[in-house]
Amino acid sequence: SQKIEQNSEALNIQEGKTATLTCNYTNYSPAYLQWYRQDPGRGPVFLLLIRENEKEKRKERLKVTFDTTLKQSLFHITASQPADSATYLCALDGGATNKLIFGTGTLLAVQP
Amino acid sequence: ETGVTQTPRHLVMGMTNKKSLKCEQHLGHNAMYWYKQSAKKPLELMFVYNFKEQTENNSVPSRFSPECPNSSHLFLHLHTLQPEDSALYLCASSGGGAGDNEQFFGPGTRLTVL
Repeated sequence: SQKIEQNSEALNIQEGKTATLTCNYTNYSPAYLQWYRQDPGRGPVFLLLIRENEKEKRKERLKVTFDTTLKQSLFHITASQPADSATYLCALDGGATNKLIFGTGTLLAVQP
Repeated sequence: ETGVTQTPRHLVMGMTNKKSLKCEQHLGHNAMYWYKQSAKKPLELMFVYNFKEQTENNSVPSRFSPECPNSSHLFLHLHTLQPEDSALYLCASSGGGAGDNEQFFGPGTRLTVL
């Protein structure tokens, strides 16, 4: 069955550094991948989508890569700020229309 | 705000109670979803509705009963729940169609089953 793995441990970085979060998947070839941010007590908020024929996508300080050979996506936040502290979820195309499969998420803590 | 509202935000119920969760989207979307989020676990898709028709039931126990009267409203009827059903229940909507559309989530209902 499809399996998605994200860093299970929290990622702590210093303000101003680049945060890099990893999403690995197995037993699957998704057509696209999405990244979401979730703050405590709130629903996830969409950040970026990248399709299988795209290597990289950028939005302001965010960058996502998609390596279909390695079966991996990397999510980068440059010049990180304490306000970037949250849980980041990757979600893969679930093989059916409108179906997403989510990872467990990685908690990012940016220290001032 | 995301344009997706959920009520109630918190719910405590006994195992013999019957309650309903409500979701409303103001985005003109055609697809709506119910997810369950438990601690240390990934979001679990429960149900998907496209144009009011259920297109996905992810082996959800019958004690959870969804209802989608129109494209803007989605309900989750609960009865004879178990303590392990305690979780955050999230509703989401998307444009439907191509299938890779971003999903817009509501704030969730924190459910506690005693």
